[in-house]
Amino acid sequence: QTVVTQEPSLSVSPGETVTLTCALSSGSGSTNFSPSWYQQTPGRTPRTLIYSTNIRASGVPDRFSGSILGSKAALTITGAQPDDESSYYCLLYLGSGISVFGGGTRLTVL
Amino acid sequence: QVQLVESGGDVVQPGRSLRVSCAASGFTFSYYEVHWVRQAPGKGLEWVAVISHDGTYKYYAESVKGRFTISRDNSKNTLFLQMSGLRPEDTAVYYCARGPPGKKYFLDYWGQGTLVTVSS
Repeated sequence: QTVVTQEPSLSVSPGETVTLTCALSSGSGSTNFSPSWYQQTPGRTPRTLIYSTNIRASGVPDRFSGSILGSKAALTITGAQPDDESSYYCLLYLGSGISVFGGGTRLTVL
Repeated sequence: QVQLVESGGDVVQPGRSLRVSCAASGFTFSYYEVHWVRQAPGKGLEWVAVISHDGTYKYYAESVKGRFTISRDNSKNTLFLQMSGLRPEDTAVYYCARGPPGKKYFLDYWGQGTLVTVSS
C-alpha cells in the first residue's frame, strides 16, 4: 500500500521560517505527482494553499511557497504568523485516477 | 460564489447502507470532476473517490472499493456517495471537493462536510 509521509509535528517561532515535507513510500520523487497542500484548523474545512507543486491558490499569502527538495514535495512558510498554527496536508496524484493524502503535519507557532 | 453543501450524514449500524449527497452551485457543475474526502474523528484527511465531469470515470481508494459507489446527476448539480457494508472505521466527516479541469490533480473548493457515524 502506498504511504505518503509527513512530519507528524513541527514547531516554529513567530517570524521564523519552517519547511514541511511530503514523501512517497516507494521512494519515487514527489515531483511527478502534482503535489498540492492544504491547511486545516480544528473544526474547520480544509483550505487549499498550493497546487501543481508551487502555484499559490487564490488569496493565499506569499509567505507560503511550494517546491521540491530532493525527492520530496515541500511547503515553506517564510515569516510564520500565529494564525499559521494549523495542520497541513499534502495530496499526491498517483495516476490511474488515484490520489493519496499524507498523514498531516501539526504546526505549532510559539 | 462556489458552494458545495453536503447532506445525508447519520448514525447507522454496522453492515447497513447510507447515501450522502453534495449540492453544488455557483459554477458549471458538469465541467468539473468531483471528489469525496473523509476525516475520522481526530485523524487526518483520507481521499475516498473521484468521478469525472460526465460520470464516465470513477476511481476509489482501496479502503472503500467494492463497498462505496460515487455518482452524479449533472441535471441537478448533485454528487452522491452510496455507502454499503458500513464499518465502524468508516465513521468520519465526509467532504465533497471540486477538482479543476485540465489534469491539475488538486482540490480547489470544499464543502463543510457531513458526519457519518457507524455504531451499534
